[in-house]
Amino acid sequence: SQTIHQWPATLVQPVGSPLSLECTVEGTSNPNLYWYRQAAGRGLQLLFYSVGIGQISSEVPQNLSASRPQDRQFILSSKKLLLSDSGFYLCAWSGGSWGEKLFFGSGTQLSVL
Amino acid sequence: AQSVTQLDSQVPVFEEAPVELRCNYSSSVSVYLFWYVQYPNQGLQLLLKYLSGSTLVKGINGFEAEFNKSQTSFHLRKPSVHISDTAEYFCAVPGGTNAGKSTFGDGTTLTVKP
Repeated sequence: SQTIHQWPATLVQPVGSPLSLECTVEGTSNPNLYWYRQAAGRGLQLLFYSVGIGQISSEVPQNLSASRPQDRQFILSSKKLLLSDSGFYLCAWSGGSWGEKLFFGSGTQLSVL
Repeated sequence: AQSVTQLDSQVPVFEEAPVELRCNYSSSVSVYLFWYVQYPNQGLQLLLKYLSGSTLVKGINGFEAEFNKSQTSFHLRKPSVHISDTAEYFCAVPGGTNAGKSTFGDGTTLTVKP
């Protein structure tokens, strides 16, 4: 069966520090991978998605970047965190067929202080 | 273009009472509709989905939803809620072959009180 791992679960970082959140998927190959951010009391905002190794699409301009160095690994990074980067970050994967559901990781609560 | 509107941001109910979480959609293409649930400090998981066929869809944990094309709605219901149903619920229209481009509603927080 497929599983998705996301870590760390919580992270407190000072403003201006770097960020690296990692997500890995097991039990499937060539998944579509996604990073979402969920601000407190709000819905989900798609940040990045990837349909293959080295292929990254950004949905919104921001202080963050994403990379996919391996088929089932997706990394969210920042060189210098801003206060506005605080939020709940979710990694997800899906297949490539029409109307498929998303499988979500357990999320990372990021607090930038 | 497609959009999803969840009409209630907060729904407080007492344990064992019925509940309905409302969702309206607009879509210019064939409609698939999903409900996801997010328990505190966790990711989302699929509760149920409508793809085609019967308009009454049954999901996990005793939830069901009814697709109503004329009213462009996909309301989520449960006849008797438990404390453990306390969570945030999201209605979504999938994003074609790119599921990550699903359109999500803003979510409804269901709080079940003893």
